[in-house]
Amino acid sequence: DSGVTQTPKHLITATGQRVTLRCSPRSGDLSVYWYQQSLDQGLQFLIQYYNGEERAKGNILERFSAQQFPDLHSELNLSSLELGDSALYFCASSVSGTGYEQYFGPGTRLTVT
Amino acid sequence: GQNIDQPTEMTATEGAIVQINCTYQTSGFNGLFWYQQHAGEAPTFLSYNVLDGLEEKGRFSSFLSRSKGYSYLLLKELQMKDSASYLCAAFDNTDKLIFGTGTRLQVFP
Repeated sequence: DSGVTQTPKHLITATGQRVTLRCSPRSGDLSVYWYQQSLDQGLQFLIQYYNGEERAKGNILERFSAQQFPDLHSELNLSSLELGDSALYFCASSVSGTGYEQYFGPGTRLTVT
Repeated sequence: GQNIDQPTEMTATEGAIVQINCTYQTSGFNGLFWYQQHAGEAPTFLSYNVLDGLEEKGRFSSFLSRSKGYSYLLLKELQMKDSASYLCAAFDNTDKLIFGTGTRLQVFP
C-alpha cells in the first residue's frame, strides 16, 4: 500500500458524459501527478500540481482538467467522453515538486461505452 | 522528440537471470527510473539511476550509460512473483517522467 488513495476504483459511463476522479496523496506529499494508461500504451503523463498550483502539463486534452485543493487532494475531470478515453487513470504523489520517488495510487479504471 | 524503447515481452525460467534493456531519447535528462507493475495494479518503484554505473539492490540491479542513452534492469534468482511488466522511465529537463510501454516478463517454472 503506497498511501495514495484513489476513488472510485471502477467507473463505467457513456460517451458524451462527464466524470470526476479523485486522489488523496500520501500524508506530507505536496505534489500530485495524473497519468493515463491505455491498453497498448505506456503511462502518459497528464498534469502535475504542487501545493495547489499547476506545475507541469503533459499530453492532457482540452476536455480534461484538474485541480488540487487546499487539503492537497486532487480531482481530474474528464468531459465529453469518447470511447478512446477508456483507460486506467493513475494518480501519484511525491514530497517535492521535482517528481522524484513518485508513489502511485491503485488507479481508477474508466470504461466508456 | 522523446522516445523510450524497450522490448515488448520476455520469458525466463525460475531461478535464472534476465536483463531488460531500455534506450531513451529525451529533451534533457535528469535520471532513469525502473518500475514494476503487476497486471491491473499500480506501478511500484524499483530503482533510480542518474550517474553512469550499476546500482544493486538485492536481486535487482540497474545500470545506466548516459553517453549511450541506455539502461538495463537485471533480475537475478527469478521467482514466479517476478512475472510482471517492467517500465523504464526517463526524467526530461522539465522534470516530467517519460515512460516506455513496458516489458512484460513471464517467469516459467
